[in-house]
Amino acid sequence: ELKVEQNPLFLSMQEGKNYTIYCNYSTTSDRLYWYRQDPGKSLESLFVLLSNGAVKQEGRLMASLDTKARLSTLHITAAVHDLSATYFCATGRGSTLGRLYFGRGTQLTVWP
Amino acid sequence: KAGVTQTPRYLIKTRGQQVTLSCSPISGHRSVSWYQQTPGQGLQFLFEYFSETQRNKGNFPGRFSGRQFSNSRSEMNVSTLELGDSALYLCASSLHMGEQYFGPGTRLTVT
Repeated sequence: ELKVEQNPLFLSMQEGKNYTIYCNYSTTSDRLYWYRQDPGKSLESLFVLLSNGAVKQEGRLMASLDTKARLSTLHITAAVHDLSATYFCATGRGSTLGRLYFGRGTQLTVWP
Repeated sequence: KAGVTQTPRYLIKTRGQQVTLSCSPISGHRSVSWYQQTPGQGLQFLFEYFSETQRNKGNFPGRFSGRQFSNSRSEMNVSTLELGDSALYLCASSLHMGEQYFGPGTRLTVT
């Protein structure tokens, strides 16, 4: 079964700082998703990465994908309090792409 | 375009009862997937339906079942509820094997 590991699971950072969340997956996959979840809310799609070397940026968040290393990163630049949330990476494969395998999530807290 | 809708949003049931949750996908989306989210197990895949057929199934007991109607709306049913079934149940819709868009979820509490 496809395994997805995220680290760190908990991240507490000061406003203005930079940090990276890592997402490793165990077998070949051709797409990687990043989602954000606020407490008590559903999942909001942030990025869809479809090919090796893909890089996408939205505001202070930038996601990248290295399919050879089976690694995706979510980089946070100059964090602000509004980024506090739980971030999930997820992937799928082949004929079971209707099924996503999720990491455990990274709970990010940004403090002043 | 309206998003994914789920009803009810909150539900409290007693052990042994059964429950039915409903999901209406984004218009034009024919794939509906269901996930269970708990603090202990995280997000776990239940099943996926496409054109009224179950296409993928996760590792859940037979008490968990689902179906999809011709208008792509989907329901999931849990029979003989257990305390451990308390969770946030999320459904997601997508075009054929595309990006999944999640609904607001149904918070089920089993007492």
